[in-house]
Amino acid sequence: EVQLLQSGGGVVQPGGSLRLSCVASGFSFDAYAMHWVRQVPGKGLEWVSLISRDGGDTYYGDSVKGRFTVSRDNSKNSLYLQMNSLRSEDSAFYYCAKEASQHPNWLDPWGQGTPVTVSS
Amino acid sequence: EIVLTQSPATLSLSPGERATLSCRASQSVYTSLGWYQQKPGQAPRLLIYDASNRATGVPARFSGSGSGTDFTLTISSLEPEDFAVYYCQQRYSWRPLTFGGGTRVEIK
Repeated sequence: EVQLLQSGGGVVQPGGSLRLSCVASGFSFDAYAMHWVRQVPGKGLEWVSLISRDGGDTYYGDSVKGRFTVSRDNSKNSLYLQMNSLRSEDSAFYYCAKEASQHPNWLDPWGQGTPVTVSS
Repeated sequence: EIVLTQSPATLSLSPGERATLSCRASQSVYTSLGWYQQKPGQAPRLLIYDASNRATGVPARFSGSGSGTDFTLTISSLEPEDFAVYYCQQRYSWRPLTFGGGTRVEIK
């Protein structure tokens, strides 16, 4: 069974940093690009970032560009999101998601989500 | 950035009824549109990709149609577990990927 297990969320002050993790199992992790998507509770979905299978290519939404860094360690089946210079508007649930098999940029499945709260 | 507009915001229906959800794109995305279902406290789940293809394990009562700028998700006969929020997503212009604002299907 494909599983994505997330960790690393929490409460941080404005300007602070946080690192999210996503550990994959049940599939060949290094064969798939991975995404991060966030959601303010009760609101819609916002795409955050994409990383290629080997980690050589990364892409970001405009709202996080220059502050967030996505990375992966294929030897550990792990995906990361380093979030720096956090703002109150970054408060959201953050989901990691795998690209659907043979269908780039469709997201399936998603991790369980981890909450990030930026507040003083 | 491609903007996706979903309507209606809320759909109030009874089990067994047909649900028709709409997603309109600000420019043509050809058939590069998908649908996700999200239940309370859960992550989204892919239902439909490339406008009309059901993802693995998705019941046949879910169907997608459309191309260009206008798309529809139809649930032929609502089951109790189908009451949820549905989002459309485009991948035609994937930098960034964008999602619609969602349609909540609630029990009437």
